[in-house]
Amino acid sequence: GEDVEQSLFLSVREGDSSVINCTYTDSSSTYLYWYKQEPGAGLQLLTYIFSNMDMKQDQRLTVLLNKKDKHLSLRIADTQTGDSAIYFCAESYSGGGADGLTFGKGTHLIIQP
Amino acid sequence: EAGVTQSPTHLIKTRGQQVTLRCSPISGHTSVYWYQQALGLGLQFLLWYDEGEERNRGNFPPRFSGRQFPNYSSELNVNALELEDSALYLCASSFGRVEKLFFGSGTQLSVL
Repeated sequence: GEDVEQSLFLSVREGDSSVINCTYTDSSSTYLYWYKQEPGAGLQLLTYIFSNMDMKQDQRLTVLLNKKDKHLSLRIADTQTGDSAIYFCAESYSGGGADGLTFGKGTHLIIQP
Repeated sequence: EAGVTQSPTHLIKTRGQQVTLRCSPISGHTSVYWYQQALGLGLQFLLWYDEGEERNRGNFPPRFSGRQFPNYSSELNVNALELEDSALYLCASSFGRVEKLFFGSGTQLSVL
């Protein structure tokens, strides 16, 4: 079945870059997503990438996709205290539908001053 | 434009009771998804509604049910509550076949 794996925690210093990694098993994944969840809140869609792309950049966020290794990463440049949250990687097949998205368990990003 | 709204935000129930959670999707969205986010278990897919019909359900017992109304809003019902039903219940909406899911802030259910 489908599976999405992420590290549970990442600690970085304020101002450094954060790199959050994710691996997935479903080679037919069409879209891959990064969501952010702040305490007590729902999930906010940060960015997503279509499976035929290698990279997508949006301001401080860079998504890299290695389809051969089924590896997705999210790089946050110049990490700020406001970036402290749980980051979820997710995948969908052919635009989703049946199960919506399959999510990883989330990576807690901890910012050190 | 209003996002996905869920009510109530918090709920406390006791074992054996029944609960109804509500979700209003973004205007124009026809699909509603329900997820359960229990501590340590990540997001588990519960139900998918599209155009008023239940299209798929996750690996949950039948006491989890719901419906979608003609205005595309949705309810999630949980009967015979158990302690392990304590979780954040998230609703998401999309337009048709999902490319992007937009989430509400969730309903935090505590079962005592």
